[in-house]
Amino acid sequence: KQEVTQIPAALSVPEGENLVLNCSFTDSAIYNLQWFRQDPGKGLTSLLLIQSSQREQTSGRLNASLDKSSGRSTLYIAASQPGDSATYLCAVMTTDSWGKLQFGAGTQVVVTP
Amino acid sequence: DVKVTQSSRYLVKRTGEKVFLECVQDMDHENMFWYRQDPGLGLRLIYFSYDVKMKEKGDIPEGYSVSREKKERFSLILESASTNQTSMYLCASSVRDITYEQYFGPGTRLTVT
Repeated sequence: KQEVTQIPAALSVPEGENLVLNCSFTDSAIYNLQWFRQDPGKGLTSLLLIQSSQREQTSGRLNASLDKSSGRSTLYIAASQPGDSATYLCAVMTTDSWGKLQFGAGTQVVVTP
Repeated sequence: DVKVTQSSRYLVKRTGEKVFLECVQDMDHENMFWYRQDPGLGLRLIYFSYDVKMKEKGDIPEGYSVSREKKERFSLILESASTNQTSMYLCASSVRDITYEQYFGPGTRLTVT
């Protein structure tokens, strides 16, 4: 069964620093990987989706990379702002999963002014 | 704009009551999902549906059932609510294309007393 791990569980950085969030997975037979943001008490917002054939995806200050062979993805957030404070979750879709996602536990980020 | 709505943001029910959680998407997506989210356990898939009247068990289906009579609507039913079903319930949908990107609703915080 696919296991998805996110380390660290929590992170605090001063405003302006770059954020680096890690996600690792055990089964490299993935179809895609999706990064989400969740604000307290709210639903999930999709940030980036990387297909298995891609190495990275970018949207504004966000960049996500994927290394299937090592079972890792990294989400970079440039020049962090207090509004980036949230929990970030990665989720993996394996090739035989019928569209189902396996989620990591998330990294809680606090950006201090 | 992509939209997934859930019938209630907050719900309080008594033990033994029958509870209906409704989810509606307006994107003509084939796939729909119900998750629950608990501190320390992350998101866990309860049921999913890949077509009208079709349903498949997820990782934790015990104590739940689902109904999908129309493509846009997916209902989660707690036949006899118990206190261990107090949780945040999240609905999601995805199109069955090359991405299978999932979009989430705002969540329902259910408390069973």
